[in-house]
Amino acid sequence: AQTVTQSQPEMSVQEAETVTLSCTYDTSESNYYLFWYKQPPSRQMILVIRQEAYKQQNATENRFSVNFQKAAKSFSLKISDSQLGDTAMYFCAVRDNYGQNFVFGPGTRLSVLP
Amino acid sequence: GAGVSQSPSNKVTEKGKDVELRCDPISGHTALYWYRQSLGQGLEFLIYFQGNSAPDKSGLPSDRFSAERTGGSVSTLTIQRTQQEDSAVYLCASSFGLFTDTQYFGPGTRLTVL
Repeated sequence: AQTVTQSQPEMSVQEAETVTLSCTYDTSESNYYLFWYKQPPSRQMILVIRQEAYKQQNATENRFSVNFQKAAKSFSLKISDSQLGDTAMYFCAVRDNYGQNFVFGPGTRLSVLP
Repeated sequence: GAGVSQSPSNKVTEKGKDVELRCDPISGHTALYWYRQSLGQGLEFLIYFQGNSAPDKSGLPSDRFSAERTGGSVSTLTIQRTQQEDSAVYLCASSFGLFTDTQYFGPGTRLTVL
């Protein structure tokens, strides 16, 4: 079974500052994928970033980057130059290679303050 | 192109009534997924379809829940004899292939059972 833990229910950051959201997971799979999804008040789930576990290089997408520590089973999300539009719930998720087990964490509510 | 769409966006029903939730995946996506998001919780995986087939229905919370997909496209999630604990946002996602691709989510249907 796969599990995902997000230990920060809520966080806030000043506009233009940097914030890191934590995620730890557990899986028995040798190959898997990790994701961060953003869910603004509109409820639409938006993919922020994705990481293949077999890749050592940390994924980056513009202002979003991850710190993937495979041995520690840690997958944190760093948001640089935070913008008001980044305010949302952020979900960390792990999915096995076959797509049949897709488990989400409970989410972290991020507020970007002007 | 158009994203995943779901209807209705909101549904209020009385306890004991049946409801149908609809999902229109992205054109060409063969895999389709249903999730449930209860208030303040992460996403709970319900069921997935590869084409019209749902190989594993064990994620459905009870036998009051059923889902079907016809023509490899639109899917319907049906909840019979709704209970108050069924109140949640029901999210649908689709992906091009089951094994490798990122899932793209619809805006969800908010179900409220009175």
